[in-house]
Amino acid sequence: DQQVKQNSPSLSVQEGRISILNCDYTNSMFDYFLWYKKYPAEGPTFLISISSIKDKNEDGRFTVFLNKSAKHLSLHIVPSQPGDSAVYFCAASVVSGGSNYKLTFGKGTLLTVNP
Amino acid sequence: EPEVTQTPSHQVTQMGQEVILRCVPISNHLYFYWYRQILGQKVEFLVSFYNNEISEKSEIFDDQFSVERPDGSNFTLKIRSTKLEDSAMYFCASSDFGDNEQFFGPGTRLTVL
Repeated sequence: DQQVKQNSPSLSVQEGRISILNCDYTNSMFDYFLWYKKYPAEGPTFLISISSIKDKNEDGRFTVFLNKSAKHLSLHIVPSQPGDSAVYFCAASVVSGGSNYKLTFGKGTLLTVNP
Repeated sequence: EPEVTQTPSHQVTQMGQEVILRCVPISNHLYFYWYRQILGQKVEFLVSFYNNEISEKSEIFDDQFSVERPDGSNFTLKIRSTKLEDSAMYFCASSDFGDNEQFFGPGTRLTVL
């Protein structure tokens, strides 16, 4: 049951360039989306989120875009830095009228930023 | 910066034994979660906890699993009789409001032999 899909298992970019990580979802009830970064042997670290009432949210080098009609979101990192190398997880939840707020995760994309 | 902590970082146990994984969520948070990640697979929701009761549990969270908030600061996950397939990283998470981001602990690696 892949409600959240990250179809690219890996992505390699040059330092200073833009990294674009993609995520698709199938559950139209999802209304809150998050991106987490994970280093080996650590827990996921929250990066940025977006509510379904928005189509863009920006925080420093990180921007998340949401296309509700396509059920697609993307994370842009610009400029990419070697320290950004990690696994990036897309996650989604239902918050409106909810009482649970569990996150449903994608499988992750390993980003490698080359110096 | 406040953070979620988990102990132990690694637990090795024999099949059929009971284990308790411990978490200290961020102090003013009200919503608590356990997730797990089997090696090579995605992070999966196990259970959510709010107002001293379970608000939802996944089909993974069967009668062998239980959660408790024994003293207002700790949040524990107990597996009564471990199976080989319980081997995974277990992550605790917390949030201040349900519709805000969840903060994750570093995880406990559980190995069942």
